[in-house]
Amino acid sequence: EADIYQTPRYLVIGTGKKITLECSQTMGHDKMYWYQQDPGMELHLIHYSYGVNSTEKGDLSSESTVSRIRTEHFPLTLESARPSHTSQYLCASSVDRGRAETQYFGPGTRLLVL
Amino acid sequence: GDSVTQMEGPVTLSEEAFLTINCTYTATGYPSLFWYVQYPGEGLQLLLKATKADDKGSNKGFEATYRKETTSFHLEKGSVQVSDSAVYFCALSENTGGFKTIFGAGTRLFVKA
Repeated sequence: EADIYQTPRYLVIGTGKKITLECSQTMGHDKMYWYQQDPGMELHLIHYSYGVNSTEKGDLSSESTVSRIRTEHFPLTLESARPSHTSQYLCASSVDRGRAETQYFGPGTRLLVL
Repeated sequence: GDSVTQMEGPVTLSEEAFLTINCTYTATGYPSLFWYVQYPGEGLQLLLKATKADDKGSNKGFEATYRKETTSFHLEKGSVQVSDSAVYFCALSENTGGFKTIFGAGTRLFVKA
């Protein structure tokens, strides 16, 4: 059973506010990811980390930033929220088992920026 | 580069109908293939996987066979239930100096009672 948590689950916030979306996992996985999921349900990788102090930008350009100070924690921050940031954000972690990398997802944060 | 293409949705079926969701892939090497499912209000979770050609992954009545000759990994279920209504994602994972997972665009399934 995978244990990966995201808070808050839902957030409504005004334009210009700074927000941090939290993601934590208790499985000791080195790799963690942030995806943005659009209304059509397609996933877009925006950030990933292969371990402590390692962070990389993903395939989709994003104005957000991430940090990885502890293995279990991978927060995502928006310095100044805008309506274009309205979306669902999914956090995931992964483990390599032989030839396959299985990803474990949190429940997501639905963000609405007014 | 590597990619995953799956059939567009939504797919609407009556309960007990047969389900097929098509998935094809392109890859430079020998990827592992996955189906993930996302139920309403939740994140994705692994449904099944296959790591080499001709392997069949199965779980909860769903199954998919890794077909290297047709580069496909179609998802099937013989008799769907209302509780199967969800979004299904096909994905591949390949080790290219570090694993990378690529997801398809997702196919939404509605099952009517």
